[in-house]
Amino acid sequence: GAVVSQHPSRVICKSGTSVKIECRSLDFQATTMFWYRQFPKQSLMLMATSNEGSKATYEQGVEKDKFLINHASLTLSTLTVTSAHPEDSSFYICSARRAGGQFEQFFGPGTRLTVL
Amino acid sequence: AQTVTQSQPEMSVQEAETVTLSCTYDTSESDYYLFWYKQPPSRQMILVIRQEAYKQQNATENRFSVNFQKAAKSFSLKISDSQLGDAAMYFCAYRSITGANSKLTFGKGITLSVRP
Repeated sequence: GAVVSQHPSRVICKSGTSVKIECRSLDFQATTMFWYRQFPKQSLMLMATSNEGSKATYEQGVEKDKFLINHASLTLSTLTVTSAHPEDSSFYICSARRAGGQFEQFFGPGTRLTVL
Repeated sequence: AQTVTQSQPEMSVQEAETVTLSCTYDTSESDYYLFWYKQPPSRQMILVIRQEAYKQQNATENRFSVNFQKAAKSFSLKISDSQLGDAAMYFCAYRSITGANSKLTFGKGITLSVRP
């Protein structure tokens, strides 16, 4: 089956610093990747959709200058949380859809971000 | 815009018994996909079952089956012979068929506990 990895799985940083989260599709090419945010006991909230080689499309209310997304290759997308603040603490999940895939969307294991 | 509603925040089932999780959705489209995802304590999203709207036959995957009522826009998940490992948060999700970037719309989720 298709595997999506995320790194790191957990990160703690100081307020004001930037944090980068990597999302990789390990055994398939992902033309589209999605980034979600999830608070405890709540649903997944889509932050942005990215396609390889083009700018990400952000959902309404998501600050694109704060959450920088780069989908540089067919197997890698990164989310950078810039100037992180405690309210950015959350669980971030990426998901990838393979080229030509109709409905398959594969999820990474998530990254827990804690901003002190 | 499509919406997905899961009105029950929590449910409990006795081990080996059967439980049904409810989901309704709203859409003006005639063709689409519906999914149930499981999120255990590890928080890894796992696809449980999917249904293509153009298929009249209800999808089945081992102990998991759905009751898809297209006219009523209802998509419930039945778990038979419940096991302790079924304890998790379950999300119902909708996705349009058209558009390479069509995104998943999730319900709020339901927390299922299994009593030994």
